[in-house]
Amino acid sequence: DIQMTQAPSSLSASVGDRVTITCRASQDIDIYLAWFQQKPGKAPKPLIYAASSLQGGVPSRFSGSGSGTQFTLTIDSLQPEDFATYYCQQYGTYVWTFGQGTKVEI
Amino acid sequence: QVQLQESGPGLVKPSETLSLSCTVSGGSISRDNYYWSWARQHPGKGLEWIGYIYDTGSTHFNPSLKSRVTISVDTSETQFFLKVTSITAADTGVYYCARYCSGLNCDGVHWGQGALVNVSS
Repeated sequence: DIQMTQAPSSLSASVGDRVTITCRASQDIDIYLAWFQQKPGKAPKPLIYAASSLQGGVPSRFSGSGSGTQFTLTIDSLQPEDFATYYCQQYGTYVWTFGQGTKVEI
Repeated sequence: QVQLQESGPGLVKPSETLSLSCTVSGGSISRDNYYWSWARQHPGKGLEWIGYIYDTGSTHFNPSLKSRVTISVDTSETQFFLKVTSITAADTGVYYCARYCSGLNCDGVHWGQGALVNVSS
């Protein structure tokens, strides 16, 4: 099975900062990668699909890039509502997997 | 805009079978290149993928759950279903249904709000 490794596992940032989270796949998954935001007690919210396509209704300060095995989620100008846990997920093989999550804290 | 909503029992006894349904609105459940998926989250933990059913009816599952899980679709009712047999306390958590897609007409990933399942006698 493909392993998804996110880094860092947590980070501290301030409002207005640019934040970058990386996700590495143990095998080539082409562009079949999604990013999610999850706040406590809430369902995960899809942000990015197909590695770089912005989900409808998601602010443009979120962007995704990468293909193959290396992927990045970038948040430009971090806003107060962006403090949450972020997950990547690959859906490029028959067995899908999530990363372990990155907690973005103030 | 497609929406998904999970439903099922909030409490299941150990050794029983968990049955959840996901109602899809605002979109067809029968279209090509759609993947109807389930995931779960144990309390305070990360996300765990359970499995999916593809538009052709083929299914794929997390190897750790494969022997206990079934996913099916009822296209006439715009629902799809998850069954997990031989339930234990380790199956307690929030269960999510989702739709993924591929191809030129893909409009992204859509998730439901989740259904809390507690396994207890």
